[in-house]
Amino acid sequence: NAGVTQTPKFRILKIGQSMTLQCAQDMNHNYMYWYRQDPGMGLKLIYYSVGAGITDKGEVPNGYNVSRSTTEDFPLRLELAAPSQTSVYFCASSYTTRGYGYTFGSGTRLTVV
Amino acid sequence: QKEVEQNSGPLSVPEGAIASLNCTYSDRGSQSFFWYRQYSGKSPELIMFIYSNGDKEDGRFTAQLNKASQYVSLLIRDSQPSDSATYLCAVSTGNQFYFGTGTSLTVIP
Repeated sequence: NAGVTQTPKFRILKIGQSMTLQCAQDMNHNYMYWYRQDPGMGLKLIYYSVGAGITDKGEVPNGYNVSRSTTEDFPLRLELAAPSQTSVYFCASSYTTRGYGYTFGSGTRLTVV
Repeated sequence: QKEVEQNSGPLSVPEGAIASLNCTYSDRGSQSFFWYRQYSGKSPELIMFIYSNGDKEDGRFTAQLNKASQYVSLLIRDSQPSDSATYLCAVSTGNQFYFGTGTSLTVIP
């Protein structure tokens, strides 16, 4: 099993550009999440999904969009990139929220210049 | 705002000692509690979860939960240099997990 796969691992964007961070899981997990982690800070939830076709905002959704057309995939779209979006982005999935933790992807390090 | 609080550290312990990591949470409706370990530049990995009051042991790790005090802790016995990492406390409430900012642990050989 691959677990949670994130691509790309690194990316440099110019201010105003857009991009999509890809996330795929092969564990048939219903729950999927996008977090960002800034240096010395905890994980901040951007968006999450409890199943295909269902998404909801987390703590810091501004400047991002998501979709969940299949159980496996949960891409994160950045529109009009800003320096404040420089961060490490983690995708995660879980079977449920009780008694199970997340499986995290390896992360995407994004720099906006 | 659901909060999870951790001491940021750094916490330094000598090799072979017990490391004690603490976490408090604000939402009494929280259901499950998790400890993750994160090495520098890597993604978090789950160490333990607990959802009942009391202690749960797994090898050198013991998680302790006190829902009345809204407190969860992680004890690492016989600490090893490979345990040097940042430890994240996470709490699940509803469909979401909330993370603390992490405690940096250094085990000194």
